[in-house]
Amino acid sequence: GQQVMQIPQYQHVQEGEDFTTYCNSSTTLSNIQWYKQRPGGHPVFLIQLVKSGEVKKQKRLTFQFGEAKKNSSLHITATQTTDVGTYFCAGVYNQGGKLIFGQGTELSVKP
Amino acid sequence: DSGVTQTPKHLITATGQRVTLRCSPRSGDLSVYWYQQSLDQGLQFLIQYYNGEERAKGNILERFSAQQFPDLHSELNLSSLELGDSALYFCATQAYSDTQYFGPGTRLTVL
Repeated sequence: GQQVMQIPQYQHVQEGEDFTTYCNSSTTLSNIQWYKQRPGGHPVFLIQLVKSGEVKKQKRLTFQFGEAKKNSSLHITATQTTDVGTYFCAGVYNQGGKLIFGQGTELSVKP
Repeated sequence: DSGVTQTPKHLITATGQRVTLRCSPRSGDLSVYWYQQSLDQGLQFLIQYYNGEERAKGNILERFSAQQFPDLHSELNLSSLELGDSALYFCATQAYSDTQYFGPGTRLTVL
């Protein structure tokens, strides 16, 4: 069935280190989205990737969508304590269809 | 502020009881999704409604049901509650772009 796998489940880094989380689908996606959930908060939309091979940047965050539209990554350069939270990818297989969320990667940053 | 409201914020009840969670979508959004998030768990999709009709079902127990009313607000009914039903329950509405906007959630504690 439609499933989005996300790794790692947890990542502990020292402030200033880089961080990457990966998502993979066995079948082609229509688009993929990324959300961030701060501790005690609700998921908040970060970005949507639609095109094959697309790369988007938001300050220290870089999002990539694979050429085959089956995988995606989120890379944070020089993490800060404000980056703490759980990052979820969510795949859409058919436009207008439901989102299939990955399991999330919980990022902790040690100052 | 996502524009999605959920009430109540917190709910404490006993096993065997029934509760109703309420969600009001953003203005203009026709889709409502319900998710369950247990401690250290990802987002488990429960059910989706679109303009008053059930559109998709996920891992929703038979003890749970939902509906969407003509004014587009939605209610999630949880009955015969068990300890394991303690979780955060989020609703989200989906825009035409497939982006989802989450409400602040209802934290349910079953004692």
